[in-house]
Amino acid sequence: KAGVTQTPRYLIKTRGQQVTLSCSPISGHRSVSWYQQTPGQGLQFLFEYFSETQRNKGNFPGRFSGRQFSNSRSEMNVSTLELGDSALYLCASSLEGLDSETQYFGPGTRLLVL
Amino acid sequence: AQSVSQHNHHVILSEAASLELGCNYSYGGTVNLFWYVQYPGQHLQLLLKYFSGDPLVKGIKGFEAEFIKSKFSFNLRKPSVQWSDTAEYFCAVISGGGADGLTFGKGTHLIIQP
Repeated sequence: KAGVTQTPRYLIKTRGQQVTLSCSPISGHRSVSWYQQTPGQGLQFLFEYFSETQRNKGNFPGRFSGRQFSNSRSEMNVSTLELGDSALYLCASSLEGLDSETQYFGPGTRLLVL
Repeated sequence: AQSVSQHNHHVILSEAASLELGCNYSYGGTVNLFWYVQYPGQHLQLLLKYFSGDPLVKGIKGFEAEFIKSKFSFNLRKPSVQWSDTAEYFCAVISGGGADGLTFGKGTHLIIQP
């Protein structure tokens, strides 16, 4: 079974621009979560989507948003990029049911904001 | 809010040495606990997890962890490390319902010298 895939793998943007990242979960997984990884703050939870609805949200500003499609694929958008948004953005998927809290991670999208 | 503390940020061991990485969490309710590993150039992979039952859990590649509820700890162990265990290790916790997503420790960078 294919793992979580994320596109693009690398991205360079300038301050003020916006960016959209994409994530395809493991087949059959309906929950998708997003995390930001930086050297200073480590891994931080952004939000979780399930059945096209945001189910949980971390402590990030409104510039960070996401959505989920009917096929469980998810996108994350960051508007008005700041230098501090440079990070590795990780997507994770999980299977609903008894093991719903085990998350499987993709390779990430490395975003550099200049 | 939950938090996770990993005591050692950098650990250097020789092959065949025994390993123990400390992890403590702060949350008063029911939690599920995880150890993830990130090998150089690879994505986060699940090493092992604890949900309930036997507090000693075994994972992949000979790793195990012990959940001690009274100490809020979930330490990772391996009796004899190999050079291929060189990686970054993350302890993570998620509370019942997953409202805050996975909360990660800062990680431990483990280097195994041949």
